[in-house]
Amino acid sequence: ETGVTQTPRHLVMGMTNKKSLKCEQHLGHNAMYWYKQSAKKPLELMFVYNFKEQTENNSVPSRFSPECPNSSHLFLHLHTLQPEDSALYLCASSQEHGFSYEQYFGPGTRLTVT
Amino acid sequence: GIQVEQSPPDLILQEGANSTLRCNFSDSVNNLQWFHQNPWGQLINLFYIPSGTKQNGRLSATTVATERYSLLYISSSQTTDSGVYFCAVERDSNYQLIWGAGTKLIIKP
Repeated sequence: ETGVTQTPRHLVMGMTNKKSLKCEQHLGHNAMYWYKQSAKKPLELMFVYNFKEQTENNSVPSRFSPECPNSSHLFLHLHTLQPEDSALYLCASSQEHGFSYEQYFGPGTRLTVT
Repeated sequence: GIQVEQSPPDLILQEGANSTLRCNFSDSVNNLQWFHQNPWGQLINLFYIPSGTKQNGRLSATTVATERYSLLYISSSQTTDSGVYFCAVERDSNYQLIWGAGTKLIIKP
């Protein structure tokens, strides 16, 4: 148990669906992250939020839309995805972004786009 | 940008064996973390070790920052040690973790 939870753990969606991934951290951290992990590839950072403000967007397609209503919650809204978006989506948190703090990860959502 | 290389890419051992995993990085870093990803995808922090040596039970890690490498030691391996071990480093220019490709460890009973 890392203090970071994600739901759902598994998701299968069609290319025309709209779904959302949820992340919650119970660590009192101020920074939250979305990563994508595809088979045979290193983890790719997608988005960073620090004190609820988006500070990084690593050229992620607009079909992925993050939302951070407060420092404890992070969402990733998905719409009109492509089969190549199938991957493990990991949420992480750290004390802050902009300093070298440890990141703690949730269990991930395994997404399959059909 | 900074490069992170892990070796070996795959490692198969019998239960009880010891192992050493290596992480080389191409530039100075101010953060280095080792993670274990279990077969279900959960990433667990093992060590936050930008320099020096740390130990936690059967696991220990050493980072020699001046020579740009880190080592993860696993002693008396157990089947639950199986999974992928990642090294990730961070530079203060953008505070983003740069990940290695991982070492896949299989411990056979």
